[in-house]
Amino acid sequence: AQTVTQSQPEMSVQEAETVTLSCTYDTSESDYYLFWYKQPPSRQMILVIRQEAYKQQNATENRFSVNFQKAAKSFSLKISDSQLGDAAMYFCAYANTGGGADGLTFGKGTHLIIQP
Amino acid sequence: DTEVTQTPKHLVMGMTNKKSLKCEQHMGHRAMYWYKQKAKKPPELMFVYSYEKLSINESVPSRFSPECPNSSLLNLHLHALQPEDSALYLCASSQATGSLTEAFFGQGTRLTVV
Repeated sequence: AQTVTQSQPEMSVQEAETVTLSCTYDTSESDYYLFWYKQPPSRQMILVIRQEAYKQQNATENRFSVNFQKAAKSFSLKISDSQLGDAAMYFCAYANTGGGADGLTFGKGTHLIIQP
Repeated sequence: DTEVTQTPKHLVMGMTNKKSLKCEQHMGHRAMYWYKQKAKKPPELMFVYSYEKLSINESVPSRFSPECPNSSLLNLHLHALQPEDSALYLCASSQATGSLTEAFFGQGTRLTVV
């Protein structure tokens, strides 16, 4: 079974600064997907960024980027130029390949606070 | 249309009631999921439907009964629930095969069992 660990229950950052959220995972698979989801108080889980394990290049989406270290099984999220709207719970998630039929395995989440 | 629509948004039910949660998507996704999320916890997978067939049941009590009438709809029938079943119930959908496994989530149903 796969496990996902987020060791930071809460992080705080000043607006416009950069913050990094940590995630490690454990799997015996060689190919898989990793995701960061954001859940604001509105409750909806929103995909922030995804990474295919077979790709060596780190994924980037505007102000969001990841540092994917496959050998270390590490998948951190960097948020640059933090904005008030980034405040939310952030969940790291893992999925097997072969389609979505196994569902997602989530970490416990990191509560991100943006200080104005 | 990249939406997953869940109804109702809020539900209060007694322990003897029968109710249903509904989920709908029109993205052509053939995998649909129910997750349960307690406060300040991550979502926990309950059920997975793949091509309208139940493929995963994560040891969920029988008072929760899923149904997938067609490829766009997913229901969760509730009966004789307990107060500890109060939670946010999230529906999600994704492609069932192929390289893209991004899941799209609905806004959830906040369930309170009294």
